[in-house]
Amino acid sequence: KNEVEQSPQNLTAQEGEFITINCSYSVGISALHWLQQHPGGGIVSLFMLSSGKKKHGRLIATINIQEKHSSLHITASHPRDSAVYICAPNYGGSQGNLIFGKGTKLSVKP
Amino acid sequence: NAGVTQTPKFQVLKTGQSMTLQCAQDMNHEYMSWYRQDPGMGLRLIHYSVGAGITDQGEVPNGYNVSRSTTEDFPLRLLSAAPSQTSVYFCASRLGTVAGPQETQYFGPGTRLLVL
Repeated sequence: KNEVEQSPQNLTAQEGEFITINCSYSVGISALHWLQQHPGGGIVSLFMLSSGKKKHGRLIATINIQEKHSSLHITASHPRDSAVYICAPNYGGSQGNLIFGKGTKLSVKP
Repeated sequence: NAGVTQTPKFQVLKTGQSMTLQCAQDMNHEYMSWYRQDPGMGLRLIHYSVGAGITDQGEVPNGYNVSRSTTEDFPLRLLSAAPSQTSVYFCASRLGTVAGPQETQYFGPGTRLLVL
């Protein structure tokens, strides 16, 4: 069974701290997505990675295909970063369906 | 573009009732999908469609039906609601090319369903 594990489950940080969220998956993948779920429930796509590293503003996502591991980093965290961050590997196939992690709930305190 | 829209936002049903959750997208996406989100679990795929007239089952299809008569709409039907179907339901879409695994998915705002 294709599985995905995220850590930590919950994370509390002070404003300005550097945040790291980890994601491990079980078998080879075609791509890996990072998603953000706002406190109001909406889900938005942050990154899609198939190799290496991507950066968007204060967010950085990396993936190590050999280690089957991805990380999401937030630099200079801010209270507005408080959300649930979800890792979703795509194990390929013609449908390209995603498998979702349980999410990491991040709370950034001012 | 409105993106992916879902109605209703919230619904209460009694056990045994049926209802349809609506999902529509205006981005001309071929691929559409329905997920449910339960506490302590990741999003789980219920049904998906790779184009008008084509649907398939996901991980948790029992108790749900779908159809795709147009590219824009992908309704999810609960045939006889059960308390186990209490959940938050998300519809999503993506373009649906051969690059599928690397396409951005767009999510609707979700429908909260409570079955008593």
